[in-house]
Amino acid sequence: QKEVEQDPGPLSVPEGAIVSLNCTYSNSAFQYFMWYRQYSRKGPELLMYTYSSGNKEDGRFTAQVDKSSKYISLFIRDSQPSDSATYLCARYSTGKLIFGQGTTLQVKP
Amino acid sequence: DAGITQSPRHKVTETGTPVTLRCHQTENHRYMYWYRQDPGHGLRLIHYSYGVKDTDKGEVSDGYSVSRSKTEDFLLTLESATSSQTSVYFCAISGGVTGELFFGEGSRLTVL
Repeated sequence: QKEVEQDPGPLSVPEGAIVSLNCTYSNSAFQYFMWYRQYSRKGPELLMYTYSSGNKEDGRFTAQVDKSSKYISLFIRDSQPSDSATYLCARYSTGKLIFGQGTTLQVKP
Repeated sequence: DAGITQSPRHKVTETGTPVTLRCHQTENHRYMYWYRQDPGHGLRLIHYSYGVKDTDKGEVSDGYSVSRSKTEDFLLTLESATSSQTSVYFCAISGGVTGELFFGEGSRLTVL
């Protein structure tokens, strides 16, 4: 079993929709949870991170962690065509960052 | 942009030949990483380094070796390339606290 599991999609939504991206993880050690965004033919960039259960907001983006169910979510409100990218969840612990498979999102105008 | 460069950016080689990819940073970060990215698998950690001459294996280390003789350089070597190692390889650097990695632009390797 992969340490971080993510539905690869692809996911296609109309502009303005609320997007929900989800991951599950298997390791219970203390760790940070991250969301990275990757545009085509580019390296990933950090979008958000959190280390505790609950929600963390940053503009139109909300990261949610439920440690009891080992579930990580990213919500995008009022999605824009510029949000079209691959979104990768990851867990960071003891110097290692392990990614899920990534979900490709397309937001159509 | 974080000061990280990968070379070469593109390489085509034949099965059985050795290949070395280089990652160079100007940020003096302690941690350096090599990932490969393939469709359906996302980014998978090959090896990482937590200091000069200090390296450890990742998820998919078989067939790969690394070296770090200076803080700024992290080399990934395929001793005898195979077609299954055709991939896009990303180097990343980190200060090592929160998991914020800065990625290079990637090196596209094709093994025929």
